[in-house]
Amino acid sequence: AQSVAQPEDQVNVAEGNPLTVKCTYSVSGNPYLFWYVQYPNRGLQFLLKYITGDNLVKGSYGFEAEFNKSQTSFHLKKPSALVSDSALYFCAVRDGGGFQKLVFGTGTRLLVSP
Amino acid sequence: GAVVSQHPSWVICKSGTSVKIECRSLDFQATTMFWYRQFPKQSLMLMATSNEGSKATYEQGVEKDKFLINHASLTLSTLTVTSAHPEDSSFYICSARTGTGEEQYFGPGTRLTVT
Repeated sequence: AQSVAQPEDQVNVAEGNPLTVKCTYSVSGNPYLFWYVQYPNRGLQFLLKYITGDNLVKGSYGFEAEFNKSQTSFHLKKPSALVSDSALYFCAVRDGGGFQKLVFGTGTRLLVSP
Repeated sequence: GAVVSQHPSWVICKSGTSVKIECRSLDFQATTMFWYRQFPKQSLMLMATSNEGSKATYEQGVEKDKFLINHASLTLSTLTVTSAHPEDSSFYICSARTGTGEEQYFGPGTRLTVT
């Protein structure tokens, strides 16, 4: 079964510093990986996805993610954090079944301090 | 583009009553819609998957008679929580997809509180 793990419940970073939110995956076959962000009492917003191609994927709001096959990781990164980036971030992998469901990680809360 | 709405955004109901939550794709046709449940400070748990015109496919452990899902058209799916109990209180989120291989677009969620 496909799964993703987010080892950090929370990441703290100062505004202006680079940020990394970690995600590792376990899949059979080719991985289809996603990052979503959730603000309080809101649904999820799509940030970026990796299907195939370049290992560095660029997404919304200045975020990017690096796909590393040897380390089975798909870490989310941003060169310079903003206070407004503070939110809950979910890594997800697409299930290979007929419905191609998404399987989510447990989420990582990002807190960016001024 | 790719906007998904949910109505209501929050609802309070009494124990034993039923409540219906609507999920609409506003600017695209959704062949598949998904319903998730999220408890405080936890991840999203998929409840069921529905294709337009077909019966929903429920995840293991989800009571299909309690959580009725109807995907009546390519732009509307409804989740009805029947005979609600306080333990059904949660944040319910839907998502929609245009077709196989495409990403899911999520609604803003509905907070249900059962008193």
